[in-house]
Amino acid sequence: GENVEQHPSTLSVQEGDSAVIKCTYSDSASNYFPWYKQELGKGPQLIIDIRSNVGEKKDQRIAVTLNKTAKHFSLHITETQPEDSAVYFCAAKGYSTLTFGKGTMLLVSP
Amino acid sequence: ETGVTQTPRHLVMGMTNKKSLKCEQHLGHNAMYWYKQSAKKPLELMFVYNFKEQTENNSVPSRFSPECPNSSHLFLHLHTLQPEDSALYLCASSQGRETEKLLFGSGTQLSVL
Repeated sequence: GENVEQHPSTLSVQEGDSAVIKCTYSDSASNYFPWYKQELGKGPQLIIDIRSNVGEKKDQRIAVTLNKTAKHFSLHITETQPEDSAVYFCAAKGYSTLTFGKGTMLLVSP
Repeated sequence: ETGVTQTPRHLVMGMTNKKSLKCEQHLGHNAMYWYKQSAKKPLELMFVYNFKEQTENNSVPSRFSPECPNSSHLFLHLHTLQPEDSALYLCASSQGRETEKLLFGSGTQLSVL
């Protein structure tokens, strides 16, 4: 089955800096890669996703890149703000269900 | 609120108790899911229902029993749980089973004593 590795497990940045979270996946059949943000006391919320026919997607301060050859994808957050502090999960989906990474706790200090 | 409502938000139970978790959505979604979230582990898919029919059961112990009476409601019945079952239980829904975009509820934080 699919295996998704996510790094780092914790990331601390200063407000205004950029943050990058990386994930690798094992199943070359995977073709959908979402990112979820989970704030304290809430469930995960989809923030951006990308399909295998696209190399990059951007939504305001958030962007996701995908390298199918290397089987890795990354989340980029620019101009980080304290409200970006949360746990971020990557996931991959092929023929079966979504497989999630273990999550990255992002801490943005004012 | 996401439109997926879970109750209760917190639950403490003994190993001999029987309790139920409830999830509901009125978004017109046809697929509903139970996930288990434990610290420092990936989200674990437990059960999937599509149009009220269970389509996946990821080797979940029988002490967890799901029920989906209609496309809007999903239950997880719990009995004789173990302390290692303590976790956040998340319900999610999607437009259809093949739709990847999941909408999660806020979860039920379960503690088994």
